[in-house]
Amino acid sequence: DSGVTQTPKHLITATGQRVTLRCSPRSGDLSVYWYQQSLDQGLQFLIQYYNGEERAKGNILERFSAQQFPDLHSELNLSSLELGDSALYFCASSEGPEPGEQYFGPGTRLTVT
Amino acid sequence: AQSVAQPEDQVNVAEGNPLTVKCTYSVSGNPYLFWYVQYPNRGLQFLLKYITGDNLVKGSYGFEAEFNKSQTSFHLKKPSALVSDSALYFCAVRWGSGGYQKVTFGTGTKLQVIP
Repeated sequence: DSGVTQTPKHLITATGQRVTLRCSPRSGDLSVYWYQQSLDQGLQFLIQYYNGEERAKGNILERFSAQQFPDLHSELNLSSLELGDSALYFCASSEGPEPGEQYFGPGTRLTVT
Repeated sequence: AQSVAQPEDQVNVAEGNPLTVKCTYSVSGNPYLFWYVQYPNRGLQFLLKYITGDNLVKGSYGFEAEFNKSQTSFHLKKPSALVSDSALYFCAVRWGSGGYQKVTFGTGTKLQVIP
């Protein structure tokens, strides 16, 4: 158990809808990272927050947004969903602002129908 | 461009034999390199990292990795493979300048250990 929790485990929704994925980092970790894993794209870095502030941005679509709250949990919002957004979404955390070793949550499997 | 390559989609090895999972990187400056493992339906788990110092890095579950600057490689190794090592392995490189750095993951290599 990495200490990183993600909810929900599974999510099935329709195209055009909006969903929110939630992540609680490991105790003491201030950085949260979001990744998308799909069969054709592999593991793609989306975005990083450190202590409430956006730290680094990867291949995140404009339809997606994230935030980190004062209690350090983070939410990833996905809107205007398309079939191609179906994937595993992972959250990871680490202690400091720079991406050292990261601790991954179990993931949320999103299916868009 | 900063990148990391895992040239093999799958590696098959017999139980008890040594295993190697290959990784090469392209990054400016000194690389920070990582290996992660992913078991089915699980998140990635950190195995080991290279930042500086000894080129041979030891990690979890008996794995080690050898950093080779001239060949820009960071291959993952284990002297004797176990069936339970069967999983998806990812190499990653940290890159960027100043205070804002990112990690890029390779495409992953599926390791199959045959009993």
